[in-house]
Amino acid sequence: AAGVIQSPRHLIKEKRETATLKCYPIPRHDTVYWYQQGPGQDPQFLISFYEKMQSDKGSIPDRFSAQQFSDYHSELNMSSLELGDSALYFCASSGTGSRALQFFGPGTRLTVL
Amino acid sequence: DAKTTQPNSMESNEEEPVHLPCNHSTISGTDYIHWYRQLPSQGPEYVIHGLTSNVNNRMASLAIAEDRKSSTLILHRATLRDAAVYYCILRDVPGLRGQNFVFGPGTRLSVLP
Repeated sequence: AAGVIQSPRHLIKEKRETATLKCYPIPRHDTVYWYQQGPGQDPQFLISFYEKMQSDKGSIPDRFSAQQFSDYHSELNMSSLELGDSALYFCASSGTGSRALQFFGPGTRLTVL
Repeated sequence: DAKTTQPNSMESNEEEPVHLPCNHSTISGTDYIHWYRQLPSQGPEYVIHGLTSNVNNRMASLAIAEDRKSSTLILHRATLRDAAVYYCILRDVPGLRGQNFVFGPGTRLSVLP
């Protein structure tokens, strides 16, 4: 079965640079969630989108923005990167019929030097 | 959000059953009990969920106390591949779009050969 796809899988950036992470949800899923997991931490919710509209917001820094496109894929844009942004970023999706369940992608490991 | 409490870590021998407890004394009547697990360097993976009745699937069983203030995830025969952090998460009734998960500390399960 198709799963959530995230790209790139690994990304190395310098401080103050920008980064864009992409997420392709499971086909026919209309909701996308972004989570950040720092070293030794549990995943923390950042933001979610339903039908291309932001539906919930967590601890997402103002330097970060995200959107969901007409094909339901989502992008997380991160600017003025800081060392503390180094983390695993997970995208999850859910859809009608399995609304309670979120299916997670493999994650993007971002390293800020 | 209703809070869950899990032991920080547990150990099991390979091919033996494992019972992972979760306390959620402030659970509301509409909260579903979800279990996810996260293997090292991977995204969280759905294990099982339930509302009131015990549930079984190919991965595990979920035993829910009659008063719903606690639950137990049961792995019938632990394998080395089951070594992961197991999260017990409460989430309201399905159908509400964009509802994120709140990941708590979870239980780190070690499986000994």
